[in-house]
Amino acid sequence: DIQMTQSPSTLSASVGDRVTITCRASQSITIWLAWYQQKPGKAPKLLISKASTLEGGVPSRFSGSGSGTDFALTISSLQPDDSATYYCQHYNSFSCSFGQGTKLEIK
Amino acid sequence: QVQLVQSGAEMRKPGASVKVSCKASGYTFTGYYIHWLRQAPGQGLEWMGRINPNSGDTHYAQKFQASITVTRDTSISTAFMELRSLRSDDTAVYYCARGLGSWYYFDDWGQGTLVTVSS
Repeated sequence: DIQMTQSPSTLSASVGDRVTITCRASQSITIWLAWYQQKPGKAPKLLISKASTLEGGVPSRFSGSGSGTDFALTISSLQPDDSATYYCQHYNSFSCSFGQGTKLEIK
Repeated sequence: QVQLVQSGAEMRKPGASVKVSCKASGYTFTGYYIHWLRQAPGQGLEWMGRINPNSGDTHYAQKFQASITVTRDTSISTAFMELRSLRSDDTAVYYCARGLGSWYYFDDWGQGTLVTVSS
């Protein structure tokens, strides 16, 4: 099984900051990576697929990068509504696995 | 718009079973896999299994092979997930989610169903 490791586990930043969350796979997953945002008591929301493809309706301040084993989710200018837990997910056509999550708090 | 509406919260004793439903609307039910995932309190996301609503074909995570059954009723655009032999560590929010093609990532989710297992 492919293990996904996110860092940091928690992150505190101010409105307007540029924030980066990283995700590392235990072996190469080429570009088969998604990012989700989850707010308390809500289902996850898909932000990015194929490592860098922004889903419709997702603000352009979110971006994804990386390939192989190392990936990143970047928020270019943090907004109050971005307070949430973010998960990376490796996927293919027969399995998937999630990172443990990164809790992003607004200072 | 796409909607997945799940059944309400359930409470079960250890050893019992639970069946959660997921009613789809706003798209062609048979055109997209439905997946089931869970999230224990304060924990991350865990994939459990999926069904192809068109064929009824299922695929389960090895961890749940002996205890899970996913079915569907195309006449009411609803998928079901039954989990048997419940233990206290099965206490979690259970989600259904729509898959994109044959890929195991998810663009729409149900609201979640809390299943509490306690004696």
